[in-house]
Amino acid sequence: AQTVTQSQPEMSVQEAETVTLSCTYDTSENNYYLFWYKQPPSRQMILVIRQEAYKQQNATENRFSVNFQKAAKSFSLKISDSQLGDTAMYFCAFIESGAGSYQLTFGKGTKLSVIP
Amino acid sequence: DSGVTQTPKHLITATGQRVTLRCSPRSGDLSVYWYQQSLDQGLQFLIQYYNGEERAKGNILERFSAQQFPDLHSELNLSSLELGDSALYFCASSVVSGRKNEQFFGPGTRLTVL
Repeated sequence: AQTVTQSQPEMSVQEAETVTLSCTYDTSENNYYLFWYKQPPSRQMILVIRQEAYKQQNATENRFSVNFQKAAKSFSLKISDSQLGDTAMYFCAFIESGAGSYQLTFGKGTKLSVIP
Repeated sequence: DSGVTQTPKHLITATGQRVTLRCSPRSGDLSVYWYQQSLDQGLQFLIQYYNGEERAKGNILERFSAQQFPDLHSELNLSSLELGDSALYFCASSVVSGRKNEQFFGPGTRLTVL
């Protein structure tokens, strides 16, 4: 079964600085998708960024970018110019494609605090 | 706003009771997923429906069941409730055959079992 590991339960960063959240995963499949979801205090799950395993180019979305290392099964999230609104739980998640079901497997999450 | 709606937002009930959580997917999405978020188990996939048919099951207890109706809304039924069932229950929807395989989450239903 696939697993997702986030080794940093909590992190903090100064406003306007850069922070990197780590994620590793385990799968025997070659085709899959990786995601980072943000869960602010409102508890809403918000998709931050996604990466297809077949794409070598790292995904970017404004201040958010990933470092996808397929051989190492690593998928880290970099947040640049951190803002107070980035304070949230961040979940790394994984979907295997091709099986007809696309359920997300989540890591335990990293609680990020942005300090003014 | 993701376009996925869930009702009710909060639910407080007693042990042994039965409750029904409702989810309406985004317009055009055929697939509905149910997830449970609890302090000790984290976010766990429960069950998926696609166009009215059960597609996949995760760590769903036998006391729990779900269905998806012809109008594509879904209901999650939880029975013989226990204290440990207290959690945030999310519904998500997606276009299974969609290009991006993105799942859009509803705001969740907070269930408290006393």
